[in-house]
Amino acid sequence: DAKTTQPNSMESNEEEPVHLPCNHSTISGTDYIHWYRQLPSQGPEYVIHGLTSNVNNRMASLAIAEDRKSSTLILHRATLRDAAVYYCILREINSNSGYALNFGKGTSLLVTP
Amino acid sequence: EAQVTQNPRYLITVTGKKLTVTCSQNMNHEYMSWYRQDPGLGLRQIYYSMNVEVTDKGDVPEGYKVSRKEKRNFPLILESPSPNQTSLYFCASSLRGRALISKETQYFGPGTRLLVL
Repeated sequence: DAKTTQPNSMESNEEEPVHLPCNHSTISGTDYIHWYRQLPSQGPEYVIHGLTSNVNNRMASLAIAEDRKSSTLILHRATLRDAAVYYCILREINSNSGYALNFGKGTSLLVTP
Repeated sequence: EAQVTQNPRYLITVTGKKLTVTCSQNMNHEYMSWYRQDPGLGLRQIYYSMNVEVTDKGDVPEGYKVSRKEKRNFPLILESPSPNQTSLYFCASSLRGRALISKETQYFGPGTRLLVL
């Protein structure tokens, strides 16, 4: 799978919007962009995914650059419960790597009251 | 409730004593997978299964076995555990094993923390 680059950590105030960036300059035309997060002492959980268009769901929004070389996960109002490690992952449509999610190091989000 | 369950959640054992970590999903998913998570190394795939009776090695399969006799269960077997298998283990599943895998969401269990002395 193509490589992603994320900041190691970010900090946000509670109830403020949070924009988590991800660079993926080697993305191919058929790669989906997935975001997962891992809360402390829990398994990873799916957040959102997209291909070309911006996406919204109840948890977050995903903004994808026009050239698809970067994307941003947007949490509209951060809560203390959103403190987690956020992973930006590319999924190749023809991956033969066991369909493993390549988690990388992710961004550790700290939310302060 | 749709979920992936793992048992036990915590386990302390000694070198060489065979153990099994169970994983079960109630979502009729075809694909199941095992990961281990270690500090500084992130999550790495151990084994995966596309469907019943179909299993294959992931990135770090040495020292582990799996079986997929039923769709809902995917146990991880450590025949002779060693201290380097001390880790946090996660089971995951997704609806389809092959088609449109790039769109598939994976659901993870709560994790099993294993300490091998």
